[in-house]
Amino acid sequence: AQSVTQPDIHITVSEGASLELRCNYSYGATPYLFWYVQSPGQGLQLLLKYFSGDTLVQGIKGFEAEFKRSQSSFNLRKPSVHWSDAAEYFCAVGARSNDYKLSFGAGTTVTVRA
Amino acid sequence: DAGVIQSPRHEVTEMGQEVTLRCKPISGHNSLFWYRQTMMRGLELLIYFNNNVPIDDSGMPEDRFSAKMPNASFSTLKIQPSEPRDSAVYFCASSRVNEQFFGPGTRLTVL
Repeated sequence: AQSVTQPDIHITVSEGASLELRCNYSYGATPYLFWYVQSPGQGLQLLLKYFSGDTLVQGIKGFEAEFKRSQSSFNLRKPSVHWSDAAEYFCAVGARSNDYKLSFGAGTTVTVRA
Repeated sequence: DAGVIQSPRHEVTEMGQEVTLRCKPISGHNSLFWYRQTMMRGLELLIYFNNNVPIDDSGMPEDRFSAKMPNASFSTLKIQPSEPRDSAVYFCASSRVNEQFFGPGTRLTVL
């Protein structure tokens, strides 16, 4: 079964600084990969996804992520953080099969300081 | 599209009472998922349906929890009897392939 590790529980970043959130997955083949964001009191919103093709994927809100097969990673980046990016971020992995379950990481909370 | 709709958004009940959470998936989506989120355990998959059929309920904590999907546009998650440790945010999500769309959640408090 697939699994996801998000090594950083909490990250604090200054507004305007760059952000990188780490995600490592475990799966025997090329998985489907996702990043979701959850603002306080809200549901999860999809930021971006990787299914195949270009390993650098662009998402909403200026986020991007890069799939690195050799490192089993799918790290999320944003070049310049805005205060509104303060939220919890979840990486998720899905299997390439008829099983549509996703395995979610524990999440990384991002705090943005002025 | 209205997205995934959940009701109620907040529910406060007393221990021992029956609680029913409702979900309307996005039209055309054939998979539906129920999750529970707590500070201690994070986001847990409880059960999911494909074409209205329960596929995997291994995440359902115990017999007090049950879920149904009588048709493609409606699902319920029932807790009977409820206990304080069931307090959490319950999310419903739907998908057509692998991309899941989440509802706003139901915050359940059991006193």
